[in-house]
Amino acid sequence: GDSVTQMEGPVTLSEEACLTINCTYTATGYPSLFWYVQYPGEGLQLLLKATKADDKGSNKGFEATYRKETTSFHLEKGSVQVSDSAVYFCALVDTGRRALTFGSGTRLQVQP
Amino acid sequence: DGGITQSPKYLFRKEGQNVTLSCEQNLNHDAMYWYRQDPGQGLRLIYYSQIVNDFQKGDIAEGYSVSREKKESFPLTVTSAQKNPTAFYLCASSTWGDSNQPQHFGDGTRLSIL
Repeated sequence: GDSVTQMEGPVTLSEEACLTINCTYTATGYPSLFWYVQYPGEGLQLLLKATKADDKGSNKGFEATYRKETTSFHLEKGSVQVSDSAVYFCALVDTGRRALTFGSGTRLQVQP
Repeated sequence: DGGITQSPKYLFRKEGQNVTLSCEQNLNHDAMYWYRQDPGQGLRLIYYSQIVNDFQKGDIAEGYSVSREKKESFPLTVTSAQKNPTAFYLCASSTWGDSNQPQHFGDGTRLSIL
């Protein structure tokens, strides 16, 4: 079945540092890919998405490119802020059930 | 504002008791989903519903039940058969016809055992 693998956290960075969170997937076909963010005690918010190969999703300074050849969707940001501290989930959509398959999440801690 | 409302925010269950988690959406979405989140893990699919009066088991449906009598509502019952119910439960909704559309999530219900 489909699966998503994310780098384990926590990732601890200083403010204004560069961020990369790795995400790779296994799936049949070419599913849409998503990054969601979860702040403490809250639900998930969509951060960005990409629906086909070579698409780049971007939002709030975060970017991720859908790489078919490496089955990857790494999340990047050039300069993180303390307010970016959260748990980040990579996910793909199951084209049959339309449900999401999630990675295990990566906690990001940004220190001032 | 459109969105998904989950209630209660915190819920406690006694041994042998069934409890029901509420999920209401006003986004006019056809599809609704229930996920379970355990500490340090990703979300796992419990049940999903594509249309009213129809629902399907997800990956971890044992010990749970749902109903979909209205488009806006998709309540989840955690039965006494679920031996390890302590988790964070998230409800989501989306349009059904387009898999490119993202799911929208509620703020979750945290269930604990008394």
